[in-house]
Amino acid sequence: AQSVTQPDIHITVSEGASLELRCNYSYGATPYLFWYVQSPGQGLQLLLKYFSGDTLVQGIKGFEAEFKRSQSSFNLRKPSVHWSDAAEYFCAVAKSNFGNEKLTFGTGTRLTIIP
Amino acid sequence: GAVVSQHPSWVICKSGTSVKIECRSLDFQATTMFWYRQFPKQSLMLMATSNEGSKATYEQGVEKDKFLINHASLTLSTLTVTSAHPEDSSFYICSARIQTSGGLYEQYFGPGTRLTVT
Repeated sequence: AQSVTQPDIHITVSEGASLELRCNYSYGATPYLFWYVQSPGQGLQLLLKYFSGDTLVQGIKGFEAEFKRSQSSFNLRKPSVHWSDAAEYFCAVAKSNFGNEKLTFGTGTRLTIIP
Repeated sequence: GAVVSQHPSWVICKSGTSVKIECRSLDFQATTMFWYRQFPKQSLMLMATSNEGSKATYEQGVEKDKFLINHASLTLSTLTVTSAHPEDSSFYICSARIQTSGGLYEQYFGPGTRLTVT
């Protein structure tokens, strides 16, 4: 079964600094990978996804992520964070994208932005 | 586009009563919707897959008689928590599956429903 690990429970960065959130997955074949953001008391918003092709994917709000098969990683990055980026971030993996695919989520990383 | 709503956003009920949560796809039709449960400061756990016109598929460990799911139309799925108890207090989130160009699928999430059982 697929699994997702987000090693960092909580990260604090200064506004304007760069950000990298780590995500490692476990799955035998090529996974479908996602990053979602959740603001307090809200649902999830899709930031970006990787299905195939270019391993560097661009998302909304200035985020990007790089798929590295050799490291089983799909880390999320942003060159300069804004105070509005403070939220919970979830990495997720699906073993297929056809039919009733099931998303497996990581435990999340809470991002705090300091002025 | 691809907006999913949930109602209510917040509900308090007494132990032993039942609560119904609605999940609607507002601008698209969704033959498949998913229900998740999220405990405080934890990740989302898939509870069940809701298919329009057929029975829901529950994940292992989820009591289907306690969490009744009905997907009666292409835009509405409901989750009813029957005989609720304090341990059922949680944040319930639904998502709707949509097929994008190229035949791939994406899930769009609702804003969630906070259930508190007293």
